[in-house]
Amino acid sequence: ETGVTQSPTHLIKTRGQQVTLRCSSQSGHNTVSWYQQALGQGPQFIFQYYREEENGRGNFPPRFSGLQFPNYSSELNVNALELDDSALYLCASSNGQGRYEQYFGPGTRLTVT
Amino acid sequence: QKEVEQDPGPLSVPEGAIVSLNCTYSNSAFQYFMWYRQYSRKGPELLMYTYSSGNKEDGRFTAQVDKSSKYISLFIRDSQPSDSATYLCAMSDNNDMRFGAGTRLTVKP
Repeated sequence: ETGVTQSPTHLIKTRGQQVTLRCSSQSGHNTVSWYQQALGQGPQFIFQYYREEENGRGNFPPRFSGLQFPNYSSELNVNALELDDSALYLCASSNGQGRYEQYFGPGTRLTVT
Repeated sequence: QKEVEQDPGPLSVPEGAIVSLNCTYSNSAFQYFMWYRQYSRKGPELLMYTYSSGNKEDGRFTAQVDKSSKYISLFIRDSQPSDSATYLCAMSDNNDMRFGAGTRLTVKP
């Protein structure tokens, strides 16, 4: 069984740029959720994709967008980067729409300068 | 008031101690209650989840949920140095998922 993988591991971008983060879900899982974790804080829910459709969104602006592909892998896109977007971005996969049995990847650390 | 409150610690205990970690919450719609362990520079690892009120045990870990008090706990028995990590509580309903800020635990040999 393959776990959740994310790429890249680290990323440095400049304010105003755009970034794409990638996630491969655990085998057998059809749902991917994305979270933002600032230093010293718990993860904050960005959105969830279930069978390629957005299925719930947290309090994040529209410049945070995503996709899920037929193989259930996913992308998180962030446009017009701001300094406050610097954080660890976590992807979690699960089976079904519930958010109680999610398995997280190692995260992508994004630094915006 | 935050929707989920968790004491950030740090909490330091000797090896073999019983550890008690707690969270309070305000949204009575939450139905699922989770505990995650996060090592430095890693993603959170699901320890266990509970539906509604009650207790659940898994090895050295016991989760308790008291929905009437909006209070959840995680107990770690016979704590080990390898348990040193940040512990995150989380809770969800059909629409939302919220995490606590995490409690940093150190178990000293």
